[in-house]
Amino acid sequence: QKEVEQNSGPLSVPEGAIASLNCTYSDRGSQSFFWYRQYSGKSPELIMFIYSNGDKEDGRFTAQLNKASQYVSLLIRDSQPSDSATYLCAVNRDYGQNFVFGPGTRLSVLP
Amino acid sequence: DTGVSQNPRHKITKRGQNVTFRCDPISEHNRLYWYRQTLGQGPEFLTYFQNEAQLEKSRLLSDRFSAERPKGSFSTLEIQRTEQGDSAMYLCASSGTGSSSYNEQFFGPGTRLTVL
Repeated sequence: QKEVEQNSGPLSVPEGAIASLNCTYSDRGSQSFFWYRQYSGKSPELIMFIYSNGDKEDGRFTAQLNKASQYVSLLIRDSQPSDSATYLCAVNRDYGQNFVFGPGTRLSVLP
Repeated sequence: DTGVSQNPRHKITKRGQNVTFRCDPISEHNRLYWYRQTLGQGPEFLTYFQNEAQLEKSRLLSDRFSAERPKGSFSTLEIQRTEQGDSAMYLCASSGTGSSSYNEQFFGPGTRLTVL
């Protein structure tokens, strides 16, 4: 079992819809969870992070964490074509050390 | 621009040659990370510095790879005797410490290495 798993996609949604991206992780000691967006040929860009169970909202983005199920998700409301990118889930097992990244999910928002 | 910078942005080399990459982190950040990313995969951790101390190194990292951060500011990553399998994007990230930090890491633009 890989440490961080994501569906590779592509996930296609129409413009204006809600995109739902999922991530599961294997290490129960994981403390904090990060979502990055990566456009083709570019480096990852931090969207948001979450460390407590529940929901965290930032603009059109909502991160959801369920530590009991070892599951974290990212919802993108009112999806735009400019949201088309690969979304990377990263897990930090303890504060201050390296991230373990998932393989990423490709999102395509169709106009 | 106060973000993470990396040089060069692209490097093409022949198998067997040595290459060195540089990373300048965000100025107030004391943690610096190197990752490698190949097509279709997420970044893979290579090594991590806190100030000038190299605190962690991936066990996947061969002894052909070495990294330094001599004064706790910029860092260099050297690959000796490059192999075609070293072709990848090499990413540098930095983060700060403090009670309000959850170790958000900010990435530089990367150095794309092609080994012929």
